[in-house]
Amino acid sequence: QKEVEQNSGPLSVPEGAIASLNCTYSDRVSQSFFWYRQYSGKSPELIMSIYSNGDKEDGRFTAQLNKASQYVSLLIRDSQPSDSATYLCAVPITSGTYKYIFGTGTRLKVLA
Amino acid sequence: DTEVTQTPKHLVMGMTNKKSLKCEQHMGHRAMYWYKQKAKKPPELMFVYSYEKLSINESVPSRFSPECPNSSLLNLHLHALQPEDSALYLCASSQEMQEKPQHFGDGTRLSIL
Repeated sequence: QKEVEQNSGPLSVPEGAIASLNCTYSDRVSQSFFWYRQYSGKSPELIMSIYSNGDKEDGRFTAQLNKASQYVSLLIRDSQPSDSATYLCAVPITSGTYKYIFGTGTRLKVLA
Repeated sequence: DTEVTQTPKHLVMGMTNKKSLKCEQHMGHRAMYWYKQKAKKPPELMFVYSYEKLSINESVPSRFSPECPNSSLLNLHLHALQPEDSALYLCASSQEMQEKPQHFGDGTRLSIL
């Protein structure tokens, strides 16, 4: 089992719809979770951090965390064509040698 | 514009060359990182400096050599690279090494001839 898993997509949604991106992780002691957006040819940009079970909202973005299920998701409301990018889930692994593990990323396409 | 500055933005070098990538942050962060990212793959952590102490990904070949002159500067020295080392090299920083979000520079796109 990979340490951080995402569906690679592409995930296609129409403009104005809700895009739902999912991530599972294997380390039960992980405490913090991050979502990055990466446009083609650009560097990752942090869009959300979440540390506690439940939902965290920031504008059109909502991160959801369920530590019991080892699952973290990102919802994008009112999706815009400019949201088309690869979304990377990242989980620091601090037990043993430090690692910062990215999932493979989900490519999102918002269709105008 | 990002608060983590990387230079150069592009670099083409031969396999016998020696070059350095530079990274600087002015956010007062105490941890800095080097990543390698190949096309359509996620970033892979190469090195971490936290309070100027180095942690290494054991799989990184010795032809990559990091240097941390101070807490706001991070260099990556390159020597005798191979064509498979062509990639986007990303620098990042965070407040602390543990459990904190990382902020990335724009990256250096490296091509090995």
